Amino acid sequence: EADIYQTPRYLVIGTGKKITLECSQTMGHDKMYWYQQDPGMELHLIHYSYGVNSTEKGDLSSESTVSRIRTEHFPLTLESARPSHTSQYLCASSETGNEQYFGPGTRLTVT
Amino acid sequence: GQNIDQPTEMTATEGAIVQINCTYQTSGFNGLFWYQQHAGEAPTFLSYNVLDGLEEKGRFSSFLSRSKGYSYLLLKELQMKDSASYLCAVFTGGGNKLTFGTGTQLKVEL
Repeated sequence: EADIYQTPRYLVIGTGKKITLECSQTMGHDKMYWYQQDPGMELHLIHYSYGVNSTEKGDLSSESTVSRIRTEHFPLTLESARPSHTSQYLCASSETGNEQYFGPGTRLTVT
Repeated sequence: GQNIDQPTEMTATEGAIVQINCTYQTSGFNGLFWYQQHAGEAPTFLSYNVLDGLEEKGRFSSFLSRSKGYSYLLLKELQMKDSASYLCAVFTGGGNKLTFGTGTQLKVEL
């Protein structure tokens, strides 16, 4: 069973606040990913990393930023949250880059 | 760019067989995945095809034809718990990225 964790699971926050969504995995996977998914819609890749100190932007433009200082940790930060950022954020990791294990997701609501 | 098409929703009867189709147009194809996603939950891996043919895993089978840009997921002996969204995703090795389709919402009825 995959060991990938995300916190918080649910977050309601006001406009303009800075937030960090945490993602950790204990499998030693080099590759990690952040997806954004609106209800009933497809997953969109917003960030990915191939290893420590490696980060790339995904297919969907996002105002969020990520960092990868440790292999197991891939946090996502929004400097100033807006209602348009309301969505579900899913973190995933992979050993090879193809089969990806997903965390439980963070459901973010910005009021 | 990538283009992945699958039906939006399907309905089937408990105990029956259902086939969910997926067509794709991509560059740098390196495999096709099927994921299951229950409402409000994260996707879970079902199958992976990189070569043409059928991959069977219990009640679930997945087929791939690379020349036709076509795959299907076959679910046998349907159970109520199979009601979920089924996501087709293409792996493009050049970018080491998965591109997901919009998903097919399957509803299993009595």
